Amino acid sequence: GAVVSQHPSRVICKSGTSVKIECRSLDFQATTMFWYRQFPKQSLMLMATSNEGSKATYEQGVEKDKFLINHASLTLSTLTVTSAHPEDSSFYICSARAQGLDYEQYFGPGTRLTVT
Amino acid sequence: TQLLEQSPQFLSIQEGENLTVYCNSSSVFSSLQWYRQEPGEGPVLLVTVVTGGEVKKLKRLTFQFGDARKDSSLHITAAQPGDTGLYLCGTSYGKLTFGQGTILTVHP
Repeated sequence: GAVVSQHPSRVICKSGTSVKIECRSLDFQATTMFWYRQFPKQSLMLMATSNEGSKATYEQGVEKDKFLINHASLTLSTLTVTSAHPEDSSFYICSARAQGLDYEQYFGPGTRLTVT
Repeated sequence: TQLLEQSPQFLSIQEGENLTVYCNSSSVFSSLQWYRQEPGEGPVLLVTVVTGGEVKKLKRLTFQFGDARKDSSLHITAAQPGDTGLYLCGTSYGKLTFGQGTILTVHP
């Protein structure tokens, strides 16, 4: 149990276009989902926390208009990178926390975004 | 300021050696998690420690939570090349945040 999927696993897009990444909890309901960004050989940096049905809470320094997060259901959250630039190229990882559990989080396999 | 200070950041050892990774903070936590991540994949939860002084074992991995619940350590005995990866400590201080991570490379 506790499987989180991400789609796509890899995406290449041109500068100026937008890209949507999906995060799904496959066998549990996730009241809270988190989005992280990771650069090579570095730790995960929390970008934002999304709760189902409400607006996401962004970490300091993360542009909310650039990284649009939607958590429309208990099993799906999406991250849209708008007007992507090469510096947005990174590994994006989501995680989901099951209802009622404060510390157990399950991670997706990540999405490699390359902006050319 | 990093909530969790992890050390060392890089560790390169030979197969069969032992190693310890540390995760320290000035804050007290209700729980702390250890994850392992392989390149191109998401982190996988290894263990959660919740009680001060707690010791948990997972095969050759031993996890300890400090008595004051401010720090934790991960000890690997007789490391193998398959242990290579990024090890992360994390805590749900409202939201799950991570230390800087330790990149472990075990050479055959």
